Amino acid sequence: GQQLNQSPQSMFIQEGEDVSMNCTSSSIFNTWLWYKQDPGEGPVLLIALYKAGELTSNGRLTAQFGITRKDSFLNISASIPSDVGIYFCAGRTGGTSYGKLTFGQGTILTVHP
Amino acid sequence: DAMVIQNPRYQVTQFGKPVTLSCSQTLNHNVMYWYQQKSSQAPKLLFHYYDKDFNNEADTPDNFQSRRPNTSFCFLDIRSPGLGDAAMYLCATSRGKTYEQYFGPGTRLTVT
Repeated sequence: GQQLNQSPQSMFIQEGEDVSMNCTSSSIFNTWLWYKQDPGEGPVLLIALYKAGELTSNGRLTAQFGITRKDSFLNISASIPSDVGIYFCAGRTGGTSYGKLTFGQGTILTVHP
Repeated sequence: DAMVIQNPRYQVTQFGKPVTLSCSQTLNHNVMYWYQQKSSQAPKLLFHYYDKDFNNEADTPDNFQSRRPNTSFCFLDIRSPGLGDAAMYLCATSRGKTYEQYFGPGTRLTVT
């Protein structure tokens, strides 16, 4: 089945710094989704990408759907303490897929005040 | 606000004692999903309903069952919980199979 490689696994940054994380795959995806999960809570959808090359922003967050359709990245600018959490990428293939998402392993973000 | 609701947020059950987790949604979405998430791992899909059409993942244990009596509600039944079933259980919904999925807050299941 499809696999997503998400990196880095963890990041320790200072408040105010910019953050970048990415997901890559050997398979082509038609959709890329980025989620943030706080401890003890469900994942919250941050950004959804549906077209190759698409660049979408949500406040301080920016994500791009790679032109090869095999990768995506998420940038967070000017990080703040509440950005702490686990960030997951998720991809979906097309064709007869019923919408099953393949998840990356997650990036644990720690922001030091 | 339209949302995905899961009850209870925390559930403790005894080894082998059946337990039911519930999910409701006010989004009027056609698809509802159940995921299992263990510590420091990504969510793992157990099964989903597209309307009333049930789809089971090949590696979902027979111990796990689901019911969707109507559009708004979906239940996860664990017939004989084992210690290995302790996890966060997440419900998600989407408008259709190609749309983004929205997750509920999850139910943390403890098996004693």
